Amino acid sequence: AQSVTQLGSHVSVSEGALVLLRCNYSSSVPPYLFWYVQYPNQGLQLLLKYTTGATLVKGINGFEAEFKKSETSFHLTKPSAHMSDAAEYFCAVSASAFGNEKLTFGTGTRLTIIP
Amino acid sequence: ETGVTQSPTHLIKTRGQQVTLRCSSQSGHNTVSWYQQALGQGPQFIFQYYREEENGRGNFPPRFSGLQFPNYSSELNVNALELDDSALYLCASSPGDPGSYEQYFGPGTRLTVT
Repeated sequence: AQSVTQLGSHVSVSEGALVLLRCNYSSSVPPYLFWYVQYPNQGLQLLLKYTTGATLVKGINGFEAEFKKSETSFHLTKPSAHMSDAAEYFCAVSASAFGNEKLTFGTGTRLTIIP
Repeated sequence: ETGVTQSPTHLIKTRGQQVTLRCSSQSGHNTVSWYQQALGQGPQFIFQYYREEENGRGNFPPRFSGLQFPNYSSELNVNALELDDSALYLCASSPGDPGSYEQYFGPGTRLTVT
C-alpha cells in the first residue's frame, strides 16, 4: 500500500521568500513521486516528477524537489515566491508496475502569498 | 497535441438519480483514470481503464462504473446518487507505455447532488 502525508494544510509566505511544502510518503515498492498544482476551478497540472536517477528534480515555474529515500520525503521548494504561485499543491505517489499508474494523493497544501 | 477535455463543466443532480460524465483523452492515450476530489481533499482514485478494459479500481462501490471507447473517449457513470457524491470528478489520460508514468488531467466536472 502507498500513502502520502502533506504537513501543513495551509502555508503562507511573503512574496520573494522561500517556499517549502512538505511531503512524506510510504511505499512498499520503489516509489514514483509527483507534485501537482491546482489553481481555483481548474484541474491538476504536473509541476515535476521523480522516477529514477537524479534525486534533485527541477520542474516548471522555478520549483524543484529532492527525493530523500532515508527520510521518505519529497519536499517541494522554490527560492523566491511569486504572487502567481498562490494555489493548492498536491504530492502524489505511484507504484512502478506497468499499466498501473494509479496516483495516491495527499490532502493538499494551500499556498498563500503575502504581498 | 490536443488536451484532455471533460463535459459537462458543472452538473446538478438530485439524490437517487443517475449521472454520466464524459472525458475525451489525448490521441494515442490508451489509459484513462478517473478521480473524485471532494471539497478540501486530494483526488481519490476511482478506477482505470486500459485498452477498454478495467485495470484497477479504488475503494468505490459498484454503482460507480465506467466505459472506455476506441476513440479515446470514456465515461464515468454513477447510479443512485448520494449527497456525498458531490465532488469534482477528474479524468486523466496517459500513453500507458512502459516507462511512461505521467498522466494528463482534464479540468474536471463539478457534480452537486441535492
